[in-house]
Amino acid sequence: GQQVMQIPQYQHVQEGEDFTTYCNSSTTLSNIQWYKQRPGGHPVFLIQLVKSGEVKKQKRLTFQFGEAKKNSSLHITATQTTDVGTYFCAGRYGNNRLAFGKGNQVVVIP
Amino acid sequence: DAGVIQSPRHEVTEMGQEVTLRCKPISGHNSLFWYRQTMMRGLELLIYFNNNVPIDDSGMPEDRFSAKMPNASFSTLKIQPSEPRDSAVYFCASSPTGTKHGYTFGSGTRLTVV
Repeated sequence: GQQVMQIPQYQHVQEGEDFTTYCNSSTTLSNIQWYKQRPGGHPVFLIQLVKSGEVKKQKRLTFQFGEAKKNSSLHITATQTTDVGTYFCAGRYGNNRLAFGKGNQVVVIP
Repeated sequence: DAGVIQSPRHEVTEMGQEVTLRCKPISGHNSLFWYRQTMMRGLELLIYFNNNVPIDDSGMPEDRFSAKMPNASFSTLKIQPSEPRDSAVYFCASSPTGTKHGYTFGSGTRLTVV
C-alpha cells in the first residue's frame, strides 16, 4: 500500500549537535508535509514541500524534497532541548490521501 | 482562534461500553479527519469528511466504529461495544479543502478500555 518509511525510528542527540531524519516512499509523492509532536502532545504542522528538489528553511530546520519526489529529509542544526519530540513526515499521493510515517522520536541529551 | 477542540481529554471505560468522542473543527475548515495513534501502528487515518460528507472510511477498523458529522462545526466518533484493543489516543484534525494546507490537530482523547 501507499506508505512512507521513516529512518531512524529513534535518535539520541547531544545538545548542540546536528541531526537528520529521513522519509522515503516507494512511489512518487505529489507533496510531503512534516509535523512535530511533543511528548504528550499532538502533531503540529511544520511545513509542506511540493516541488522536486525543493529546499525550505525555518531557523535551524532545513527541509528537502528529493528530485524524484520519493524522499525527504529534515536537518536540525545546533540541537536544543526544545527540539525533543517525534518528527513525522506525511506523504500525499495522487489519490489525495495523506499517509503518515511512524515518526522519528528524538531525545536530546543536555 | 481556539483551534480544533476535542472532548473528553481522557476516557476510561469498561469493555462492552459505548464510547463517544467529540470534535469541533476550526471554523471555515471544510475537511475533517479522525486519526488513531498507538505505539505499534503509529497514526492511522480512520475516516475523512469533506463538507460534512464522509469521503473515505476505509480506515475504520470494523463495524463497531462509526463516525458522523451532522454539521460543519461538530463530529463524533463512536465505538460500540468498546474492547481493550481500542485503547489509544484518538485525534481529530481539520484543514481547508485542497492539498495546499497542513492539518490542524486537536489535543486528542486518550481512551483506555479495561
